[in-house]
Amino acid sequence: SAVISQKPSRDICQRGTSLTIQCQVDSQVTMMFWYRQQPGQSLTLIATANQGSEATYESGFVIDKFPISRPNLTFSTLTVSNMSPEDSSIYLCSVDSWVAEAFFGQGTRLTVV
Amino acid sequence: DAKTTQPPSMDCAEGRAANLPCNHSTISGNEYVYWYRQIHSQGPQYIIHGLKNNETNEMASLIITEDRKSSTLILPHATLRDTAVYYCIVRAPGGSYIPTFGRGTSLIVHP
Repeated sequence: SAVISQKPSRDICQRGTSLTIQCQVDSQVTMMFWYRQQPGQSLTLIATANQGSEATYESGFVIDKFPISRPNLTFSTLTVSNMSPEDSSIYLCSVDSWVAEAFFGQGTRLTVV
Repeated sequence: DAKTTQPPSMDCAEGRAANLPCNHSTISGNEYVYWYRQIHSQGPQYIIHGLKNNETNEMASLIITEDRKSSTLILPHATLRDTAVYYCIVRAPGGSYIPTFGRGTSLIVHP
């Protein structure tokens, strides 16, 4: 199984600022995924991050708002840019292991004030 | 499109079995059924998966109907710590898979 460390675990940010969330995996993985979970809702996929290429964004999410880096096979970052209160959510990173189980970080609880 | 439907909520008495149903009537022949749960404010946790045979591990049992159009996750002796949202997902093996989550079932285990 993969162990995923996600930082920060929570943050309170001012509107208009940006926050970068880090996701570190203890093994090399091809694909990493970023999800958003708004209060009381299920998980929504933001984008898929492959090493060495640009991230693939889902409908409703754009690179300018959620830039993603994937510098190597064990690390990725998601930035939430120009934040507004509507961005208050839990953000989760995930990887799909070779045994076909998806593993998730513990999430970053973001509150924008 | 999560391809699965689950009841939005259920409750269960502590110590009793919790049986969580999932409908996946459009499941393809090579798709597995996966179950995850999410305890409040934590990342989803893998529970179990199966193709057509019933499966059991240290956390739960998975019963899949013969036509594979539905399944039931069984927590044999539910505890208060099993209170969580449970997600049922179908996926094909291998390759790159992107978990798509529906609304899940909110299970409340009460004393």
